[in-house]
Amino acid sequence: KNEVEQSPQNLTAQEGEFITINCSYSVGISALHWLQQHPGGGIVSLFMLSSGKKKHGRLIATINIQEKHSSLHITASHPRDSAVYICAVRSIRGSTGNQFYFGTGTSLTVIP
Amino acid sequence: GAGVSQSPSNKVTEKGKDVELRCDPISGHTALYWYRQSLGQGLEFLIYFQGNSAPDKSGLPSDRFSAERTGGSVSTLTIQRTQQEDSAVYLCASSLRGGTYEQYFGPGTRLTVT
Repeated sequence: KNEVEQSPQNLTAQEGEFITINCSYSVGISALHWLQQHPGGGIVSLFMLSSGKKKHGRLIATINIQEKHSSLHITASHPRDSAVYICAVRSIRGSTGNQFYFGTGTSLTVIP
Repeated sequence: GAGVSQSPSNKVTEKGKDVELRCDPISGHTALYWYRQSLGQGLEFLIYFQGNSAPDKSGLPSDRFSAERTGGSVSTLTIQRTQQEDSAVYLCASSLRGGTYEQYFGPGTRLTVT
């Protein structure tokens, strides 16, 4: 069983739709990251959360520590949002607390 | 300003050879991470450097993998006696400090072992 589970694995949306990507994890964490990876491109960190909610433009990320769950929302989706979105957690386990676990990613395609 | 850079961008090597991958973090960033992304698989943590502390090597998959960071800046990931399963994109990231600081990723090195 993976320590980090994302859903859905693939998502196709029409431009303008509201999108939600979910992430559940099974370990104690010090932080959760949402990453964006464009095809053939590098990785960009979108959010780092340890509690509550953060907003950046059309992107919103929330985390519920008690339920070990995070969501990434995209409002008014646009074709340029098409990318793979990856959830990653920094575990508090281990002698140094640096163990990272990654979800397998959600591939989002936004159709004009 | 300059971001994280990695070299080479692509590397093709024969099975059994050693390879060195380089990462130049953002100036002033004390924390540096190496990750691996294999085809069809997710990201995998390899190693973490923070300042002058001993690196966290808990993610290295075998003793063929090693990394060093000279002068608290440039890092080199070395893979000895490469195997085909080592083929992947190797990503480096840096952050201002360790812990819960945002990480900035480099473009990666695509390694192909033939």
